[in-house]
Amino acid sequence: DGGITQSPKYLFRKEGQNVTLSCEQNLNHDAMYWYRQDPGQGLRLIYYSQIVNDFQKGDIAEGYSVSREKKESFPLTVTSAQKNPTAFYLCASEEGNTEAFFGQGTRLTVV
Amino acid sequence: KQEVTQIPAALSVPEGENLVLNCSFTDSAIYNLQWFRQDPGKGLTSLLLIQSSQREQTSGRLNASLDKSSGRSTLYIAASQPGDSATYLCAVNAGKSTFGDGTTLTVKP
Repeated sequence: DGGITQSPKYLFRKEGQNVTLSCEQNLNHDAMYWYRQDPGQGLRLIYYSQIVNDFQKGDIAEGYSVSREKKESFPLTVTSAQKNPTAFYLCASEEGNTEAFFGQGTRLTVV
Repeated sequence: KQEVTQIPAALSVPEGENLVLNCSFTDSAIYNLQWFRQDPGKGLTSLLLIQSSQREQTSGRLNASLDKSSGRSTLYIAASQPGDSATYLCAVNAGKSTFGDGTTLTVKP
């Protein structure tokens, strides 16, 4: 089946540690996005990529990094510079400003 | 900067009622508007996508309208069921999407 796969579903990070969240899609979409969701709030854009080997900062990029070496993959690294990383992270993809599809999310908790 | 507002933040209705969720946005220069459903701890499921040239879209008991000039969209749910209980989010796409904070719907049996 076509879709977006995020892994892991749950992730625990120690203080000062970098962690990487995986996002893979087999929809052949050019554009991919990372969002952060805090309780009771909507989604805020972290980074997005319109094409392979290119990406742009979103509204809350500080403390995060991404890469887009392959069309189907858009991993997000939460660095130690992100002071409040506990949140629900969602990845999405779309083609040509049409319908966006989302993964099932990764819940990151700092321990 | 695009701002998206959803009213009400929470809504509780008895089963069988028809209801309307509202979404407003500040910049009418958009490609499309999309309504999503989110169950607790889950990702977003697309419900309806309205392109900027369209006025409405329908899927089953759901009908979404778009008035771009006034910066408003509504999601109409007919004959609500307990299984409709979820958070409903609208997203406005102007090259990248801006989301509202959602309306949390509870349908009581």
